[in-house]
Amino acid sequence: GQNIDQPTEMTATEGAIVQINCTYQTSGFNGLFWYQQHAGEAPTFLSYNVLDGLEEKGRFSSFLSRSKGYSYLLLKELQMKDSASYLCAVKDSNYQLIWGAGTKLIIKP
Amino acid sequence: GAVVSQHPSWVICKSGTSVKIECRSLDFQATTMFWYRQFPKQSLMLMATSNEGSKATYEQGVEKDKFLINHASLTLSTLTVTSAHPEDSSFYICSAKGMGEAEQFFGPGTRLTVL
Repeated sequence: GQNIDQPTEMTATEGAIVQINCTYQTSGFNGLFWYQQHAGEAPTFLSYNVLDGLEEKGRFSSFLSRSKGYSYLLLKELQMKDSASYLCAVKDSNYQLIWGAGTKLIIKP
Repeated sequence: GAVVSQHPSWVICKSGTSVKIECRSLDFQATTMFWYRQFPKQSLMLMATSNEGSKATYEQGVEKDKFLINHASLTLSTLTVTSAHPEDSSFYICSAKGMGEAEQFFGPGTRLTVL
């Protein structure tokens, strides 16, 4: 079966750095997405990785290792508004998006 | 970036009635639209995928006759929840993507409460 694993919840301090991991086992791979979702709102796109390596976009970076079936989302200089759920999703061989359950990130002052 | 709208943003209806939710791509042609459902504190669950002009492809366990999807144009898809029951109360989110594009753009979601 297809599976995306990410921690259920993480806590970090304002101004710090946090890394949210995602491991996947899917039938084929055509890219990995990270989305941010605030409570009661729809997800918003953060990043897309299809090749191995690190993609940096401002305070957010996303890393992919296809051989390990592993990705992480790195958030720097955390702000209170970063409190949200972070969803990892993988596009499989049929170009279907397989979603993780999301990681709820709690930022404390 | 691309914008997707949904209407209504929230709806309350009586059990047994039908509710239609619209999803529109405002500034691009959405060849594919996706409908998701999300229960509180749970992840997105894909309900169906629709390509413009074709019948929707439903995920396993999703009743085709209960959740009617129409994708008649490149900018509009509708989801009709027929004979809604309280267990259908959920957050319904659509997303859309253009041909050859990897990224899906999400609408703001519709919160359905069935009394």
